[in-house]
Amino acid sequence: AQSVSQHNHHVILSEAASLELGCNYSYGGTVNLFWYVQYPGQHLQLLLKYFSGDPLVKGIKGFEAEFIKSKFSFNLRKPSVQWSDTAEYFCAVNPHTGNQFYFGTGTSLTVIP
Amino acid sequence: ETGVTQSPTHLIKTRGQQVTLRCSSQSGHNTVSWYQQALGQGPQFIFQYYREEENGRGNFPPRFSGLQFPNYSSELNVNALELDDSALYLCASSPPGAFRDGYTFGSGTRLTVV
Repeated sequence: AQSVSQHNHHVILSEAASLELGCNYSYGGTVNLFWYVQYPGQHLQLLLKYFSGDPLVKGIKGFEAEFIKSKFSFNLRKPSVQWSDTAEYFCAVNPHTGNQFYFGTGTSLTVIP
Repeated sequence: ETGVTQSPTHLIKTRGQQVTLRCSSQSGHNTVSWYQQALGQGPQFIFQYYREEENGRGNFPPRFSGLQFPNYSSELNVNALELDDSALYLCASSPPGAFRDGYTFGSGTRLTVV
C-alpha cells in the first residue's frame, strides 16, 4: 500500500533558524508531490507542488522543496523561519494511477520569537 | 473567490445514528473530494465526485456515501455511526481537469460520535 512518512512530528525552532522537514513516500510510479500548511484555526492551504522538471520547486512565503527520485523524498526547506510560520505541515502524494492524495501524518512546527 | 464552505462546523451524534455533511465547492470547481482526518493523523481519502458521479474511492465501508449536485455542491452521508468515525471531515474542490494541481480545502466539519 502507498504510504507517506513524515519523520519529524514536532519541531521547535527559534526565529531565523533554518528549517528542513522530511517526507518520504513508498509509491514507485509517477507521482505529483505537494506540501500543504495549516495555520492555527485555518484550513489547509497549498504551499508548493511538484509535477515534473526542475526537482527544486519554490512555493509561497520563501519555502522550497527538493524532489529526489532515487530516495523517494520531497523535503521542505526554508532558510530562515519566522514566528508566523508556526503551523502544521503536511506532505501529500498523488500517484498518477488514481485520484486520491495520500497525506503524511503532519509535522507541527513551533517558531519561538 | 468564496472558497470552499462546509456545514455544519461542529456536530455531535450518538453511535448508530446517521449524519449528513455538506460542502459548497469554490466557484468554477466541478470536482469535489472528501477526506477524513482523525486526531493526530493526516487526511485520508474517502471519495471523489465528478459530474455527479463517484470517481474514485478510498478504503472506507459502504456506509460512507455521497452525492454531488448539478451546482457541484456535495454531501457526505455516514450511516450507523461508530465511535471511530469521530474526526474532522474535509471537503476539497478543484477546477475542471485539474485536481492533480492540488485542492482548495474547506475548514471542515468536526464530528464527534458519543
